Amino acid sequence: NAGVMQNPRHLVRRRGQEARLRCSPMKGHSHVYWYRQLPEEGLKFMVYLQKENIIDESGMPKERFSAEFPKEGPSILRIQQVVRGDSAAYFCASSATSGVYNEQFFGPGTRLTVL
Amino acid sequence: QKEVEQDPGPLSVPEGAIVSLNCTYSNSAFQYFMWYRQYSRKGPELLMYTYSSGNKEDGRFTAQVDKSSKYISLFIRDSQPSDSATYLCAMANSGGSNYKLTFGKGTLLTVNP
Repeated sequence: NAGVMQNPRHLVRRRGQEARLRCSPMKGHSHVYWYRQLPEEGLKFMVYLQKENIIDESGMPKERFSAEFPKEGPSILRIQQVVRGDSAAYFCASSATSGVYNEQFFGPGTRLTVL
Repeated sequence: QKEVEQDPGPLSVPEGAIVSLNCTYSNSAFQYFMWYRQYSRKGPELLMYTYSSGNKEDGRFTAQVDKSSKYISLFIRDSQPSDSATYLCAMANSGGSNYKLTFGKGTLLTVNP
């Protein structure tokens, strides 16, 4: 059973470009979470999605960031007009159901570098 | 004051040593306490999970939670070189948003053969 898959593993963008990060949850998981890990910081919750629904986006920056989890295909975290401060590791996690009793399994992360 | 404080280390110990890792927190609503292990360039993986106060043991690992002091610990006995990793504490509150994990910065541990 494959774990959480994220691609690309490394992404380099110039300022002003768009970044698209993909996350395929574990088989059978319908709950997806995105976290961001800035240099020298802990992981910070960004957004929680279920299929076709954004449940909680309280950790998402108000501008330039969006997330989706369509009925078919991976979850996408999209960052428009990237700036140097967006350089970070972005981790996706998935769970079978929601709630802290249900372990969130993390992917290997996408390391975004903005030049 | 950050919600979760964790000494980033680095911490270097000889093989076989007992390791103590700690976090403090300020949010009294936290009820769920977790320790994750993260190897370099990998995602975090859950090691231990504890609800409210008390101790939990799993093999060489023991997690302790002291809610009165807002202090949690992870002890590793007979540490091995394969334990070398970054250890992250994470917490969640009770109620509807308990999926939202709040992490410490992580402590980098190296166990030397």
